[in-house]
Amino acid sequence: NAGVTQTPKFRVLKTGQSMTLLCAQDMNHEYMYWYRQDPGMGLRLIHYSVGEGTTAKGEVPDGYNVSRLKKQNFLLGLESAAPSQTSVYFCASSYSWQLQETQYFGPGTRLLVL
Amino acid sequence: DAKTTQPTSMDCAEGRAANLPCNHSTISGNEYVYWYRQIHSQGPQYIIHGLKNNETNEMASLIITEDRKSSTLILPHATLRDTAVYYCIVRVANDFNKFYFGSGTKLNVKP
Repeated sequence: NAGVTQTPKFRVLKTGQSMTLLCAQDMNHEYMYWYRQDPGMGLRLIHYSVGEGTTAKGEVPDGYNVSRLKKQNFLLGLESAAPSQTSVYFCASSYSWQLQETQYFGPGTRLLVL
Repeated sequence: DAKTTQPTSMDCAEGRAANLPCNHSTISGNEYVYWYRQIHSQGPQYIIHGLKNNETNEMASLIITEDRKSSTLILPHATLRDTAVYYCIVRVANDFNKFYFGSGTKLNVKP
């Protein structure tokens, strides 16, 4: 049981390039999330998904797209990377949306946009 | 949305109890208080959560004041491995599954 995994662990992009971050979970969780973390700002929710085939915007969705074609995978895409998207990206999952449910986080992806 | 206020950093001696405070004065009646921590370069880790009553698990205890406007996370016997940023989060009940992490408290456990 690997929990939540993220690939890649680290990536350097040039401005305008595109890339996809992959999140995978093996806990059969319905809910998945993408966060970004910047110094002094905690974690901010980018997009989330409440089930296969569904996605929704979070607090800071601009410049990102997501897809949830399979229950276990949640992809985060950057179509045209900008230096402002330099950050650490965390994926998380949870069994349900119930208030008492906890989120399980992946190890993070460090992205540097030059 | 109920937001939280935490001290930026705290120190604690190894083996002693670490008491991390959090203010959430605008919390609503159906909102839970969650605590997560993040050890350097790792993803956040769930610690504990509660609504009204005090809670305890194998990692920590959570003390919530009677008016629910503040809470304290207690690590009973802090170790060096407990050095991390601790986030106090209030769950936004009407927004679909959103956590507002804020900037947290950096706990430094010293030998």
